[in-house]
Amino acid sequence: GQNIDQPTEMTATEGAIVQINCTYQTSGFNGLFWYQQHAGEAPTFLSYNVLDGLEEKGRFSSFLSRSKGYSYLLLKELQMKDSASYLCAVRDSNYQLIWGAGTKLIIKP
Amino acid sequence: NAGVTQTPKFRILKIGQSMTLQCAQDMNHNYMYWYRQDPGMGLKLIYYSVGAGITDKGEVPNGYNVSRSTTEDFPLRLELAAPSQTSVYFCASSSGGESQPQHFGDGTRLSIL
Repeated sequence: GQNIDQPTEMTATEGAIVQINCTYQTSGFNGLFWYQQHAGEAPTFLSYNVLDGLEEKGRFSSFLSRSKGYSYLLLKELQMKDSASYLCAVRDSNYQLIWGAGTKLIIKP
Repeated sequence: NAGVTQTPKFRILKIGQSMTLQCAQDMNHNYMYWYRQDPGMGLKLIYYSVGAGITDKGEVPNGYNVSRSTTEDFPLRLELAAPSQTSVYFCASSSGGESQPQHFGDGTRLSIL
């Protein structure tokens, strides 16, 4: 079967750095997406990786290792507004997105 | 620039009732999707469409139907509501390009009692 694993919940301090991990086992791989979802709202797109390595976009960076079936999202200079769930999704061989259950990130002052 | 619009935002149904969840996008996207999101679970694909007149089943299609008569609209129909269909439903669209993300509507929160 297909599986995406993320930690259920993480806590970090305002101004700090946090790394959210995602491991996947899917039938084929055609890219990995990270989304942010605030409580009661829709998911919004953060990043896309299809090749190994680091993609940087402002305070957010995303890393991919296809050989290890592993990705992480790195958030720097945490702000209170970063409190949200972070969803990892992998596009499989049928070009459908397989979604993880999400990591709830709690930011403390 | 509205993006993806879903109606209604909230609805309570009785067991056995029917309803249609509406979804419209103004980005001229060919690809549209319906997901359900349950607590502690990843988004599950119900149905998707790659263009007007073309629809296909996703991972959890039982109890639902869709149609795609225009590029803009992709309604989801529940024929005989069951408590197991209590969920948050999201509609999404994309242009279909390799790196292009899916854009989501605000969701419909549906309770079946």
